Order: sequence, then structure tokens, then C-alpha cells
Amino acid sequence: EVQLVQSGAAVKKPGESLKISCRGSGYNFSTYWIAWLRQVPGKGLEWMGIIYAGDSDTKYSPSFEGQVTFSVDKSITTAYLQWSSLKASDTAIYYCARQATAGSSYLDFDFWGQGTLVTVSS
Amino acid sequence: DIQMTQSPSSLSASVGDRVIITCRSSQNIRNYLNWYQQKPGKAPKLLIYAASNLQSGVPSRFGGSGSGTDFSLTISSLQPEDFATYYCQQSYSLPRTFGQGTKLDIK
Repeated sequence: EVQLVQSGAAVKKPGESLKISCRGSGYNFSTYWIAWLRQVPGKGLEWMGIIYAGDSDTKYSPSFEGQVTFSVDKSITTAYLQWSSLKASDTAIYYCARQATAGSSYLDFDFWGQGTLVTVSS
Repeated sequence: DIQMTQSPSSLSASVGDRVIITCRSSQNIRNYLNWYQQKPGKAPKLLIYAASNLQSGVPSRFGGSGSGTDFSLTISSLQPEDFATYYCQQSYSLPRTFGQGTKLDIK
């Protein structure tokens, strides 16, 4: 059974750093991309970018480039999303999801993590 | 970026109703269009991929159609568990983009 399991909720102050995780299981982790998506509570879904688990190739949405960093440790089938200096506007739910390809794809986001709520408040 | 526009933004309907949600892309995306259902406090769930293909395990009352720039999601007979928010998403190019969502609630 394919599963993506994310780390738990985090409460941080502005300016602090944070790294959240997404562990994949039940499939060949190294042959898929992991996408990160943001959802501000009560709002829609935003695609932040992807990282290829096989070689850590990354593609960021222009809206998030320079604001976050993706990484992956394929030895433990885990992808990470990190911030070096959080802002209040980073408060949101962050999802990871499996993405088959960076190009045109007939099957995006077939499996999702449960979401990680990040709250940034002074 | 490809802009995705859904209509309506919200919709009230009754159990047993037939519901249609539409999605328009700002450029031709062939049939690289997916639909997701999201319930409160849960991650989105893939319903339809490649515009008209039912994801495994999704009830047959859900259907998708369209190609090019105009797409639709149809629920043939609403069930209580279908009240949720629905999103379309293009998988034609990067960055991937979503419609703003359609919230379906009980009349």
C-alpha cells in the first residue's frame, strides 16, 4: 500500500527555521517526484514545486523560489521542506504528494500525505 | 503560468441531484486535466485523471469530460458523502496550477 506520512504540526515564531518531512512507503520511492503544496486555511491549493527522489533534481514554482528549500534522503525514503526564516504569511497546511513526472502527465498527485499545519506567530 | 478557472465557486444541492462543475484553462491543455475532492480537515483525493478517467475506487456516479480548454465534472446523483470542495488541476506544464475550488454544500 502506497503511503506518504508527514511530520506533525509545528508552531514557530517569525524568523525561526523549520524542516518538515514526508516519508514514502509501498512504492519505488526513487522513481517518483515528490510535490509540495500549500493550502492557507480556508483557501485553495498552491503547487510549490517538486523534487525527484532519485537524484534530488528540484523545480520550484516562481512564487516559492528562494523562499523554501526541498531536499530528500532516499536511504530513508523521506523528503523534506524547509524554511530558514519563517514569516507569519507562511502559516498554512503543507501537503506532500506523489507526482509521476515533471513533464505532461496523465496522473498527478495520486497519493497525498495527511498534511502538516505550520503556524507562525509571535 | 496556466490559469484555471472553475465555476461556480459554490453550489447548493440536494441528495439525488445531478451536479455539473466546470473548469476552463487559459490555454490548450489537451486532456491533461485532473479533478480532486477535498473534505474538511483531509487531504485532497484524486477523482478523475486525464479529463475523463475514473481513479480506482471512485464511484461511477462521478464523471469527467472535455478537452482543450473546457472541462466538466459531473456527479450524476449526489450522495451525502459527496458534499465537499472540488478542484480542477492542469498537469500539462509546470508550474502545476489549480482552480480556485467549488464548494458543494447541502441545500
